[in-house]
Amino acid sequence: QVHLVQSGAEVKKPGASVRLSCQVSGKSLTEISMHWVRQAPGKGLEWMGGFDPEEAETIYAQKLQGRVTMTEDTSRDTVYLELSSLTSEDAAIYYCAGDSYNLHYAMDVWGQGTTVIVSS
Amino acid sequence: SYELTQPPSVSVSPGQTAIITCSADELGDKYASWYQQKPGQSPVLVIYQDVKRPSGIPERFSGSNSGNTATLTISGTQPVDEAEYYCQAWGSSAGGPLIFGGGTKLTVL
Repeated sequence: QVHLVQSGAEVKKPGASVRLSCQVSGKSLTEISMHWVRQAPGKGLEWMGGFDPEEAETIYAQKLQGRVTMTEDTSRDTVYLELSSLTSEDAAIYYCAGDSYNLHYAMDVWGQGTTVIVSS
Repeated sequence: SYELTQPPSVSVSPGQTAIITCSADELGDKYASWYQQKPGQSPVLVIYQDVKRPSGIPERFSGSNSGNTATLTISGTQPVDEAEYYCQAWGSSAGGPLIFGGGTKLTVL
């Protein structure tokens, strides 16, 4: 069974960057298409970006282009999300999520979430 | 931009059938998925590729997708099904290829 374990909560000042991690267990990272999804307080789910297996590349939501970078370390089975130039609108719970069975862009496994607070 | 539209709320009595819709232009040409999220918890996939249920999801959850509307149906709704439900699709969009609907709060009265 695949599990995703995310790093702990972060408190950042406006203008700073944040780097979150998500470690995969139960399956090799190379067998899973990983995505990042965030949820602002009281709001819905927002896809930030992820791996498109058909194009074999990581793609990002247009509104975050230039501020978001997703990377991976296959030796550690860990994916990372870096988001720069933080504002109060980036305060949210950030989830890593994966398609571990080639479900055609559905995410069957989710991390526990990481809270990011942006405050001066 | 391409948007998935869901009703903000749906109410149903225990044992009845809950129907949650998700609408967008030519949504039937794309694969739709559905997620259940309870307060303080991570989302859970309940339907993928329009009609398929992941292992462990009760049979009372079913899905369909045709024309401009994807539908999540919960037959014999139980109080434990009370949650927020999000549809999701992958397709061309100015905002990005993967999009979520705004969510529907299912209340089991």
